[in-house]
Amino acid sequence: GAVVSQHPSWVICKSGTSVKIECRSLDFQATTMFWYRQFPKQSLMLMATSNEGSKATYEQGVEKDKFLINHASLTLSTLTVTSAHPEDSSFYICSVLGGNDQPQHFGDGTRLSIL
Amino acid sequence: GQQVMQIPQYQHVQEGEDFTTYCNSSTTLSNIQWYKQRPGGHPVFLIQLVKSGEVKKQKRLTFQFGEAKKNSSLHITATQTTDVGTYFCAAPDKLIFGTGTRLQVFP
Repeated sequence: GAVVSQHPSWVICKSGTSVKIECRSLDFQATTMFWYRQFPKQSLMLMATSNEGSKATYEQGVEKDKFLINHASLTLSTLTVTSAHPEDSSFYICSVLGGNDQPQHFGDGTRLSIL
Repeated sequence: GQQVMQIPQYQHVQEGEDFTTYCNSSTTLSNIQWYKQRPGGHPVFLIQLVKSGEVKKQKRLTFQFGEAKKNSSLHITATQTTDVGTYFCAAPDKLIFGTGTRLQVFP
């Protein structure tokens, strides 16, 4: 069964709307989760590392005020795209570390389309 | 920063032909992971290589980790249409994904 649940699967909304994406670890407690963004026909680009109980660590070039990350519990991290614009349209995927030397488990992704 | 490049970017093969994708890191890696992403799907873990020169096989898939632990390869023997997708290598710890190789298999 699924290890990571991501919701919603897809979102279509108007420009200027804020969109929240949830990532839940189902099988174990996750102190660290990762958020990726993937544009069509491109690779996954790491946006930020979500740390339970502390501030997220953002990769270079990712606006922390634009992409708000909250990791308030060991099973839930949320990514909020604030005041989304068409250029934010992308496939957003979260992942959870499986433990020592274990692979990451990915959510099914959220396809975000901003009109 | 760390870069992970893959070649080729695309590969179209006839069913039954072999396929290889190569992964090169700008830095020495402690391990390397391989993922497959079907169109519209999320990455699915295939394998992790840790040791220098390591070779692992999964049915028709053969994975190699270079002696210098800076490069890796994935070879598929006798491709099938179910092999279609994009294959990514990924470097630890935050999983820096390679540029990916998109495989198309024609029946």
